[in-house]
Amino acid sequence: GESVGLHLPTLSVQEGDNSIINCAYSNSASDYFIWYKQESGKGPQFIIDIRSNMDKRQGQRVTVLLNKTVKHLSLQIAATQPGDSAVYFCAGPQAAGNKLTFGGGTRVLVKP
Amino acid sequence: NAGVTQTPKFQVLKTGQSMTLQCAQDMNHNSMYWYRQDPGMGLRLIYYSASEGTTDKGEVPNGYNVSRLNKREFSLRLESAAPSQTSVYFCASSGGKTSGRLNIQYFGAGTRLSVL
Repeated sequence: GESVGLHLPTLSVQEGDNSIINCAYSNSASDYFIWYKQESGKGPQFIIDIRSNMDKRQGQRVTVLLNKTVKHLSLQIAATQPGDSAVYFCAGPQAAGNKLTFGGGTRVLVKP
Repeated sequence: NAGVTQTPKFQVLKTGQSMTLQCAQDMNHNSMYWYRQDPGMGLRLIYYSASEGTTDKGEVPNGYNVSRLNKREFSLRLESAAPSQTSVYFCASSGGKTSGRLNIQYFGAGTRLSVL
């Protein structure tokens, strides 16, 4: 079946440094991917998406890179701030129905 | 701009009690979903409703029922709660994947349920 998974459960980063969160997927037919941020005690919040016909997409302080050759995507957060402390999920579409498969999540801890 | 609203935010039940978790969205979305989130397990789909009038099982439907009351509302019912159903429950909605549009799901704040 389809799977979407993150490489590291926890990432500790110094405030002001860049963060890179990685995700691998199995379904080469996936035509888009989504990144979510979940702060403690809250629901997942949409951050950014990327279509499979793109290699890179930039948002506000975030960049998504997609490497279809190795079925890997990453979320880069520039100048990480305390407010970036959260769990980050990648998600991809399932083959049938309007459903998503979610990765297990990477917790980003920002050190002052 | 409410988005997806879930009630209640917290609930404690005794084993065998029943309850209904409510979810409403104001984004005119066709699809709605119920997930549970447990430590180390990520988000697991319980039930979903692709459109008004339809519901389908997800990965972990046992012990739950759902009702798509109308386009806005999608409720999750626990008929006889068990300690294994202690979890955080999230409702989500999406416009569905149509031509030129991605199926981005938007989530509520969650219901934290403890079953004793």
